[in-house]
Amino acid sequence: QVQLQQWGAGLLKPSETLSLTCAVYGESFSGYYWTWIRQAPGKGLEWIGEINHGGTTHDNPSLKGRLTISVDTSKNQFSLQLTSLIAADSAVYFCARARTQSFGVFLVPYYLDSWGQGTPVTVSS
Amino acid sequence: IQLTQSPSFLSASVGDRVTITCRASQDIGNYLAWYQQKPGKAPDLLIYGASTLQNGVPSRFGGSGSGTEFTLTISSLQPEDFATYYCQQLNMYPLTFGGGTKVEIK
Repeated sequence: QVQLQQWGAGLLKPSETLSLTCAVYGESFSGYYWTWIRQAPGKGLEWIGEINHGGTTHDNPSLKGRLTISVDTSKNQFSLQLTSLIAADSAVYFCARARTQSFGVFLVPYYLDSWGQGTPVTVSS
Repeated sequence: IQLTQSPSFLSASVGDRVTITCRASQDIGNYLAWYQQKPGKAPDLLIYGASTLQNGVPSRFGGSGSGTEFTLTISSLQPEDFATYYCQQLNMYPLTFGGGTKVEIK
């Protein structure tokens, strides 16, 4: 049974960089998209972006080039960096696994079936 | 792609049949998933491919629809079903979620 365990700094100042890491235990790292989602206080879910084991990424244009998602296959971990933080980036950040399905020669995300525990992040001066 | 869920809030009793609608701003085929989230927890997958029940999810949950209109139905609401429900489209990047439907006890 796959388990996702995430960690990272929870209190940051405006203009600083958020760094979060998610470790994957119990199953293969390949064949999935590894995803970040966030949820502002009292709000809905926002898809941030994803990466596969080969390093292919897709991200949300709303983050305007501030986002980097990376993968370390030797450790079965993937990471998020979000630069130039603002108060609106305050949220609970979740990592998750996206099951994939074939679309021609590509694998595309199909649903999110396993989630990390969430990391609350507050951006405040 | 924008997903509009309705209602955003509903009050229901144990045993009630509940239907939540998710409308997409363009055709997404059947690339839709439903999640349940309880306070302070990560979401749990209920339905994928618009109508396929995730392993371990009770059969009182059902999903239907394709294209732009989808529904999540709970045939007989149980106490543990009071939660917030989200739809998600996985047809086109950026992947998006609906605004959520909070189901509360009447």
